[in-house]
Amino acid sequence: DAKTTQPNSMESNEEEPVHLPCNHSTISGTDYIHWYRQLPSQGPEYVIHGLTSNVNNRMASLAIAEDRKSSTLILHRATLRDAAVYYCILSESSSGTYKYIFGTGTRLKVLA
Amino acid sequence: DTGVSQDPRHKITKRGQNVTFRCDPISEHNRLYWYRQTLGQGPEFLTYFQNEAQLEKSRLLSDRFSAERPKGSFSTLEIQRTEQGDSAMYLCASSQEGGPYEQYFGPGTRLTVT
Repeated sequence: DAKTTQPNSMESNEEEPVHLPCNHSTISGTDYIHWYRQLPSQGPEYVIHGLTSNVNNRMASLAIAEDRKSSTLILHRATLRDAAVYYCILSESSSGTYKYIFGTGTRLKVLA
Repeated sequence: DTGVSQDPRHKITKRGQNVTFRCDPISEHNRLYWYRQTLGQGPEFLTYFQNEAQLEKSRLLSDRFSAERPKGSFSTLEIQRTEQGDSAMYLCASSQEGGPYEQYFGPGTRLTVT
């Protein structure tokens, strides 16, 4: 199974941009990159996903390296509600299940 | 659309007892997944259903674990002869069929084995 590595924790000031990095050097050509976040005692919540091109949605942006061995989740203006554990995930499309392979996540702390 | 629901939210059981968890996915979703999450770790894949067919099982799913989705709607996960190592959050997720669609997660069932 392909694996992702993320920093254990990061801090950001409120209203400032946050860049959350992820390495996935063993990614295969058909694996999608997903980002989810999880609050305490809740299930993970979808943030964004992509395959090769950079992606934007109302929550965040996803920048994918040209060789696809790394990606960065960008929160444009962090708020206190963005404090959570952020997971960088690969979904295996080769078997058709699209099961998620989670990393250990980055705990984001947002300072007021 | 009420989202994915799981029942119970919490379960405390003694070692050796059997437990069963239920997951109700979003109604039009064909795909259903079970994951397990231990403290401080990311969720780990356990098993996957497409409609009523169980198409993949992780090596993590020992013989004591069984999952069903009898009519392609709700799913159950049963653990027989529970062990303390089974203590974890059990998460269910569902998604549409056909591509890398977003998986919607339920709130999870927290199992504590004493």
